[in-house]
Amino acid sequence: SQKIEQNSEALNIQEGKTATLTCNYTNYSPAYLQWYRQDPGRGPVFLLLIRENEKEKRKERLKVTFDTTLKQSLFHITASQPADSATYLCALSSGGSYIPTFGRGTSLIVHP
Amino acid sequence: DGGITQSPKYLFRKEGQNVTLSCEQNLNHDAMYWYRQDPGQGLRLIYYSQIVNDFQKGDIAEGYSVSREKKESFPLTVTSAQKNPTAFYLCASSGPGGGGQPQHFGDGTRLSIL
Repeated sequence: SQKIEQNSEALNIQEGKTATLTCNYTNYSPAYLQWYRQDPGRGPVFLLLIRENEKEKRKERLKVTFDTTLKQSLFHITASQPADSATYLCALSSGGSYIPTFGRGTSLIVHP
Repeated sequence: DGGITQSPKYLFRKEGQNVTLSCEQNLNHDAMYWYRQDPGQGLRLIYYSQIVNDFQKGDIAEGYSVSREKKESFPLTVTSAQKNPTAFYLCASSGPGGGGQPQHFGDGTRLSIL
């Protein structure tokens, strides 16, 4: 069955460092991979989408990579700030289905 | 501002009671979704609708029902048949373009049992 794995342990980093979150998947051939941010008690907010034929995408301090050979996406936040503390979800979808499958998310805590 | 509005933010259900969660969007999106989120779990799809007057079951539809009489509205009813309804419920919508479109979420309804 399709499986998406995100690290269940929280990632603790110091302010100013680069945070790197991982999304691995198995038994899936996604055409699109998305990253969302979720704050406690709120709905997820879309951050970035990357297509299967794209290796990397950037938006301000955010960078996403997508390696379909390794079946992995890395999500980087450079110059991290305490305000970046949240849970980050990855979501995969195929070209034929518009309904993404979500991972469980990884909590990021940025310490001042 | 365009977006998705869910209400109420908190809801309590008594034994044997049906409760309805509201979801309204003004993004002019055809597709709408309901997800359930439990602690430490990913989002699980309950129902989705691609167009008015049509909806499909998701992975965990048992004990839930929906309607889609208007493009803007997609209410979810948690019936008494749902034995473990305590969870955070999220409504979302997406525009045309298949899997390449992001989902826009509301801020959820937290349902608890009295």
